[in-house]
Amino acid sequence: QVQLQESGPGLVKPSETLSLTCTVSGVSVRSGTYYWSWIRQPPGKGLEWIGYIYYRGTTSYNPSLKSRVSISVDTSKNQFSLKLTSVTAADTAVYYCARDNLDTATGFDYWGQGTLVTVSS
Amino acid sequence: QSVLTQPPSASGTPGQRVTISCSGSNSNIGSNYVYWYQQLPGTAPKLLIYRNNQRPSGVPDRFSGSKSGTSASLAISGLRSEDEADYYCAAWDDSLSGRVFGGGTKVTVL
Repeated sequence: QVQLQESGPGLVKPSETLSLTCTVSGVSVRSGTYYWSWIRQPPGKGLEWIGYIYYRGTTSYNPSLKSRVSISVDTSKNQFSLKLTSVTAADTAVYYCARDNLDTATGFDYWGQGTLVTVSS
Repeated sequence: QSVLTQPPSASGTPGQRVTISCSGSNSNIGSNYVYWYQQLPGTAPKLLIYRNNQRPSGVPDRFSGSKSGTSASLAISGLRSEDEADYYCAAWDDSLSGRVFGGGTKVTVL
């Protein structure tokens, strides 16, 4: 079955770079119909789409984060990753990776369990 | 401030029907599909409705979605205690070239 699992540091200092990896199993990230996405949720608040990557390298980012975000894919490891630079306390959130399917319009059908990242000195 | 607007809360007694609204604009709901996600406490969101009114396998038919113009709604009929959760609508936004979410609606079963 399809599974996604986030990993990375749970604590990041202000002004530093947040780095997370999503390991995918049960499906290849090379599959041509999926867009591999990151979504975050600040404590007690709603969901915010961060961006996605297509296995060929095409990316799309939330305009509000675009200057600080990059998403990459490693097909050899069946993983994709998120980097968010110059973090502040406002970036404290649970970060989810998810599979999106823009072509068949089936939405975010698989999600990771989420990982809490706290920005604090 | 979320791009899609949802009421912060909704409630009902067991067996009742509850409806959650989601309001957007021509660049999102008005021209693209609407999705609904259910988030139980302490868990990741789960896809509930896709393409406005389609249910993934395993989602009970008590959940139904609809869309009209720039608004959409999720209905939960025969409300059960296990339906107590946060519900989010989502869509693609052509102006932002990305996914947008509603602020979420907390459903309480009285």
